[in-house]
Amino acid sequence: AQTVTQSQPEMSVQEAETVTLSCTYDTSESDYYLFWYKQPPSRQMILVIRQEAYKQQNATENRFSVNFQKAAKSFSLKISDSQLGDAAMYFCAYRSAGGTSGSRLTFGEGTQLTVNP
Amino acid sequence: KAGVTQTPRYLIKTRGQQVTLSCSPISGHRSVSWYQQTPGQGLQFLFEYFSETQRNKGNFPGRFSGRQFSNSRSEMNVSTLELGDSALYLCASSLGASWNEQFFGPGTRLTVL
Repeated sequence: AQTVTQSQPEMSVQEAETVTLSCTYDTSESDYYLFWYKQPPSRQMILVIRQEAYKQQNATENRFSVNFQKAAKSFSLKISDSQLGDAAMYFCAYRSAGGTSGSRLTFGEGTQLTVNP
Repeated sequence: KAGVTQTPRYLIKTRGQQVTLSCSPISGHRSVSWYQQTPGQGLQFLFEYFSETQRNKGNFPGRFSGRQFSNSRSEMNVSTLELGDSALYLCASSLGASWNEQFFGPGTRLTVL
């Protein structure tokens, strides 16, 4: 079974600064997807960024980028130019690319990000 | 395009009762997945339905069940409620392939007294 670990329960960053959230995972599969989701106080889960395991290039979405280290099974999220609206719980998630796993996501414990003005 | 909707948004039940939660996916989406979110256990996968068939199931007792209708709307049912079932229940819909993005609903907050 796959597991996802986020070792930072809480992080804080000053507005306009950069912060990196850590995530490690364990799997015996070679093909999979990794995600970062954001959950603000409204509880609506929002996809921030995704990474396909077969792609060596790190994914980037505007101010959000990832550092994907497949051999180390590490998947960190970097938020640049942090904004007050970035304050939320961030979840790292894993999904198998295998045909039998469907859409099942395995989530980490979450990191609560606070952005200080 | 309308997003994923869940009803009701809030629910209060007492121990021993049963409850049914509903999820309407984005139009055209055939996969609906359900997750339970609690402070202690985090986000846990309950089950996934695709084209009216349960495609995947998490490690939850048989009191938790679900179904999907021909219009892809899904319901989950919890029988004989326990205090520990108090949680935010999230559903997510997608087109169904492993590479398709999942879109989450706002959740149903269930409180068991």
